[in-house]
Amino acid sequence: GAVVSQHPSRVICKSGTSVKIECRSLDFQATTMFWYRQFPKQSLMLMATSNEGSKATYEQGVEKDKFLINHASLTLSTLTVASAHPEDSSFYICSAPNSGIQYFGAGTRLSVL
Amino acid sequence: QKEVEQDPGPLSVPEGAIVSLNCTYSNSAFQYFMWYRQYSRKGPELLMYTYSSGNKEDGRFTAQVDKSSKYISLFIRDSQPSDSATYLCAFFMDTGRRALTFGSGTRLQVQP
Repeated sequence: GAVVSQHPSRVICKSGTSVKIECRSLDFQATTMFWYRQFPKQSLMLMATSNEGSKATYEQGVEKDKFLINHASLTLSTLTVASAHPEDSSFYICSAPNSGIQYFGAGTRLSVL
Repeated sequence: QKEVEQDPGPLSVPEGAIVSLNCTYSNSAFQYFMWYRQYSRKGPELLMYTYSSGNKEDGRFTAQVDKSSKYISLFIRDSQPSDSATYLCAFFMDTGRRALTFGSGTRLQVQP
């Protein structure tokens, strides 16, 4: 199946630091990618849809100035958590569709101290 | 009413048991039905994918969809300790929002 690479897998940072997470489709092109957030023992909650060549679409309640998304190419989307605070600590996962199937990255665990 | 209902478990079974995981949904616009497996601190991995009512089998896994009742199931035969994970049902409709809608996940523990 298709492969989605997400990097880094783990980030520990101080409060106020900005953190950048990359999501790459390795063997297919993705004009759309999705960013999810997952709290412990909970399901994935869609944060935003990343669109190549246009602005991201954010779900209700997600601060677009806090979670900056850039879809730089047909294989790369980045999520930047601006001025991260402890409440932003979570597991962030990206996905990209290929032939109707969503493929997920391995996730990034963010811990803000 | 939630769009998707899934019992969070945890569900504990002995090795070799048949496992039944279920989800109900309310949105009749859902067209594609999926089951993902997620190990702790990893991204979800697609297990089964179907778009029609009925059964679909792949090895030890069988996905069942009943559109009239808005109910989907995943059966695991001869369960193994390596099957211990969280199982997420997921739904997709090919109009408008193109992201998946997930159930809350069921944690499965297969005891050796």
